[in-house]
Amino acid sequence: SQQGEEDPQALSIQEGENATMNCSYKTSINNLQWYRQNSGRGLVHLILIRSNEREKHSGRLRVTLDTSKKSSSLLITASRAADTASYFCATDRGSGNQFYFGTGTSLTVIP
Amino acid sequence: DAMVIQNPRYQVTQFGKPVTLSCSQTLNHNVMYWYQQKSSQAPKLLFHYYDKDFNNEADTPDNFQSRRPNTSFCFLDIRSPGLGDAAMYLCATSRGQGKDEKLFFGSGTQLSVL
Repeated sequence: SQQGEEDPQALSIQEGENATMNCSYKTSINNLQWYRQNSGRGLVHLILIRSNEREKHSGRLRVTLDTSKKSSSLLITASRAADTASYFCATDRGSGNQFYFGTGTSLTVIP
Repeated sequence: DAMVIQNPRYQVTQFGKPVTLSCSQTLNHNVMYWYQQKSSQAPKLLFHYYDKDFNNEADTPDNFQSRRPNTSFCFLDIRSPGLGDAAMYLCATSRGQGKDEKLFFGSGTQLSVL
């Protein structure tokens, strides 16, 4: 079964704007990860944040984690048309080897 | 380049006719996963192998089986496909060695059931 919810379900922005996606989950975790999926393709790992971390950066990506609220956000700054994809959060429910995905956000960046 | 390879990219089968999807990896990872993803939905974990140990999700239908004959290969068998089994099937791997595991995905097999 799915781990949680993401919002918004769909997001459309102009190139150069920032995009923020949110993820909520239900159980304890070791870490939370974000993945990207281009249409009809496999998922690609973007960034991982551990349960004892509050914020992490990687290039134009910024991830925050609030374990008290069981939520995370992914910020993509200075978006590009090539960022158009679906973005999913995933957690391990504390198991370490089983990964469960949220419902995803479909991002469209308009050139 | 080390990678996860799924063949075929597209698979068409008939209602009730058994079908097997294939996955291979050159990453030498311990863990291999099968996910089912229906249109505009999240990938749903069906089962995974940690080395030779099979771990089934509680809500995975009995119609779905898996085999892992060696480290490199893993197969998904659908014994009697129904129309509701049409989906993208994604194979993934992870090292299985620590806390900061991440998944490496193949490109998926899109299954159609006629």
